[in-house]
Amino acid sequence: IAGITQAPTSQILAAGRRMTLRCTQDMRHNAMYWYRQDLGLGLRLIHYSNTAGTTGKGEVPDGYSVSRANTDDFPLTLASAVPSQTSVYFCASSRTSETPLHFGNGTRLTVT
Amino acid sequence: DAKTTQPPSMDCAEGRAANLPCNHSTISGNEYVYWYRQIHSQGPQYIIHGLKNNETNEMASLIITEDRKSSTLILPHATLRDTAVYYCIVRGGSEKLVFGKGTKLTVNP
Repeated sequence: IAGITQAPTSQILAAGRRMTLRCTQDMRHNAMYWYRQDLGLGLRLIHYSNTAGTTGKGEVPDGYSVSRANTDDFPLTLASAVPSQTSVYFCASSRTSETPLHFGNGTRLTVT
Repeated sequence: DAKTTQPPSMDCAEGRAANLPCNHSTISGNEYVYWYRQIHSQGPQYIIHGLKNNETNEMASLIITEDRKSSTLILPHATLRDTAVYYCIVRGGSEKLVFGKGTKLTVNP
């Protein structure tokens, strides 16, 4: 079934460690996004990419980096994790930057 | 900040229509109204969107007032599986989706 695959589904990480959350889509969508969701704060955009080879900063980009080497993959890297990055992370994609987003089922990350 | 106002919660009886309201009084001419929902612990799911005409798909209907300052999402025959948080989002062109707090809809047996 076509869609978005996120890995891992959950992870416990020690503070200071480096972590990459993986996101792959097989819909040949041009645009991809990373959101985080925290209780009481809702979903907030971290980074996005309108097309392969380009990226942009969202509302809460600090402490995160992304790359978009090809159409299908959009990894999110935490260079040195901190407890405030404990959250549920959702990857999404859309055919273009103006069409509806399709979301993955998330990665639950706990930084201790 | 979200450009919409929604009630924090609503209840609906199974089999009945669920009508979820949304106010977006500052919407501009090129902005669409989008609806997403999020079932517990899953990613948000796109439902429907519209500019000014009413829209219907296999999931729901979207009714937008003539002045475009408010809209209603209608689930015609709600089931227990429709229990979720429903987000109404105003989005222009290639603007990024900004989620508010949404409406928590509980469908009761």
